Amino acid sequence: DVKVTQSSRYLVKRTGEKVFLECVQDMDHENMFWYRQDPGLGLRLIYFSYDVKMKEKGDIPEGYSVSREKKERFSLILESASTNQTSMYLCASSLGGKNTEAFFGQGTRLTVV
Amino acid sequence: GNSVTQMEGPVTLSEEAFLTINCTYTATGYPSLFWYVQYPGEGLQLLLKATKADDKGSNKGFEATYRKETTSFHLEKGSVQVSDSAVYFCALRGANAGKSTFGDGTTLTVKP
Repeated sequence: DVKVTQSSRYLVKRTGEKVFLECVQDMDHENMFWYRQDPGLGLRLIYFSYDVKMKEKGDIPEGYSVSREKKERFSLILESASTNQTSMYLCASSLGGKNTEAFFGQGTRLTVV
Repeated sequence: GNSVTQMEGPVTLSEEAFLTINCTYTATGYPSLFWYVQYPGEGLQLLLKATKADDKGSNKGFEATYRKETTSFHLEKGSVQVSDSAVYFCALRGANAGKSTFGDGTTLTVKP
């Protein structure tokens, strides 16, 4: 069974902390994505990566960075967490090509206090 | 750029009612179209897809037809169940885009 696994379901961090959200996929997908999901705002793309060590900014990259050192792992980094980064974070992966769907992890609900 | 517009929610129906969730899109070229579903506390999962004009995607009693002339991909189900309560996202993926474009999601609640 294909799988995208996020390291935590729930996370509570303090303002100013450096936060790492990890995502691993076992499908040998080229593309990986990080989204945040907030009520009334749908899914917003933070960053995506189409190959190892490659990344592109999405719609809301400010305050975030990413790392992709291995094909199966894509990390989202909050350099200095703030309360407005409290959200649900979703990781996804996909093959290249327009006909293929994205596979999502179960989400990480991050609360910054 | 690409965009997806979904019918605003929330939508509340009684069990066995007919469901339609409207979705229209703007895109260059010939995108593929998707419906994803998100059950409470979970990530999104693919419900169905269509990759070219006039294709019909179907799964679990849900259907959607890719209409190029009206740039639409409306989701329908003839008889909803309480277990269909979820958030539904329409999405597209263009030929030259690694990423997908999502609608804002429509929350469906089905009451017994």
